[in-house]
Amino acid sequence: DTGVSQDPRHKITKRGQNVTFRCDPISEHNRLYWYRQTLGQGPEFLTYFQNEAQLEKSRLLSDRFSAERPKGSFSTLEIQRTEQGDSAMYLCASRASQSEETQYFGPGTRLLVL
Amino acid sequence: GENVEQHPSTLSVQEGDSAVIKCTYSDSASNYFPWYKQELGKRPQLIIDIRSNVGEKKDQRIAVTLNKTAKHFSLHITETQPEDSAVYFCAASKGGLTGGGNKLTFGTGTQLKVEL
Repeated sequence: DTGVSQDPRHKITKRGQNVTFRCDPISEHNRLYWYRQTLGQGPEFLTYFQNEAQLEKSRLLSDRFSAERPKGSFSTLEIQRTEQGDSAMYLCASRASQSEETQYFGPGTRLLVL
Repeated sequence: GENVEQHPSTLSVQEGDSAVIKCTYSDSASNYFPWYKQELGKRPQLIIDIRSNVGEKKDQRIAVTLNKTAKHFSLHITETQPEDSAVYFCAASKGGLTGGGNKLTFGTGTQLKVEL
């Protein structure tokens, strides 16, 4: 499968625990986006990388959230001290270049915080 | 920031009928408007997009129209089939050479049900 992949697909954790999600974009896509989707809503932008540089972060991304893309390929999203309100689907998308606007989404990681 | 409103939230049509979903956006600098289809438990998939220098775009049974002056755009699906049943999201962004990172602002979605 040459599309965007995410791991794990599902995560159940207890409140207060830390979790980390991984996203592997389409090969040679230099732009990578994280979104969060709650039930019945559209995805909401969290953050965006161009290569390894994190260029924009949403106000939704509290200080408990951190994202990295150390080598400009895969990315990780970590949530520290999880809260029940963090329960959502976390989607990753990648895009080829500045002139190519289509974002291709991964299957998402569904997080449930108990 | 950008705000996208989408209507209706649910839409039921008979197979073979047309379906229309409408969205409005607030940021006049937005210039890229994609539509995504999301089936239950699956990833959003792009079905059609339109850029602000074009008023209409068509791909087989799917068409999108854009009115920049009124800041609204619409998705039209003709000859609907049961497999068209899904949630459809509109989105807006400032993309391409204008920069803005191309982050997408999504509408709240329309649950389309095509009944036999």
